[in-house]
Amino acid sequence: GQQLNQSPQSMFIQEGEDVSMNCTSSSIFNTWLWYKQDPGEGPVLLIALYKAGELTSNGRLTAQFGITRKDSFLNISASIPSDVGIYFCAGQDPFGNEKLTFGTGTRLTIIP
Amino acid sequence: ETGVTQSPTHLIKTRGQQVTLRCSSQSGHNTVSWYQQALGQGPQFIFQYYREEENGRGNFPPRFSGLQFPNYSSELNVNALELDDSALYLCASSLYGGPRHGYTFGSGTRLTVV
Repeated sequence: GQQLNQSPQSMFIQEGEDVSMNCTSSSIFNTWLWYKQDPGEGPVLLIALYKAGELTSNGRLTAQFGITRKDSFLNISASIPSDVGIYFCAGQDPFGNEKLTFGTGTRLTIIP
Repeated sequence: ETGVTQSPTHLIKTRGQQVTLRCSSQSGHNTVSWYQQALGQGPQFIFQYYREEENGRGNFPPRFSGLQFPNYSSELNVNALELDDSALYLCASSLYGGPRHGYTFGSGTRLTVV
């Protein structure tokens, strides 16, 4: 099945550093979502974006909906240990079952 | 408000067997979607159930089937299990026609096929 291209695949950073990751698609989406998944858990929604060009923040997290509607970006500022996990982007179908198409994930590790 | 609960949490089956996974939707939600997450991958949409009927299906063979009950809970059935069916199976509930971000995921069932 289709998966969105997400990069980088993994990141190793020190506590306090900023993090950037992005997601690209060959298809247009009207809604972009960013999720975080911890081991043994389901994905938890971080940020939802509904409009091309939209920039939305949730605490230290900021995400943008690309102008082409085929990409999105997530930034995390001043990383802390609890930011460790896997981050997924997801594009949502605008009609019908509104299913989610997920990216391949970015694994974030914080080096002591 | 209760979240999405899935059972069992872990399961080991033999190739060729059949399996049933269960999901209770979040209070106030009437739609259930199932996703398969292979190791190291993002979740992939299997199908969605609304009003006890299938409401869209991903690229999965017919041996993946489901049910939704009047209380909005759901089952995922997989027949003739294959080794590649080993994955985390996630259930997500939502309110049909509700907020577009309104999916709530359960913690999943880890299925291992040997």
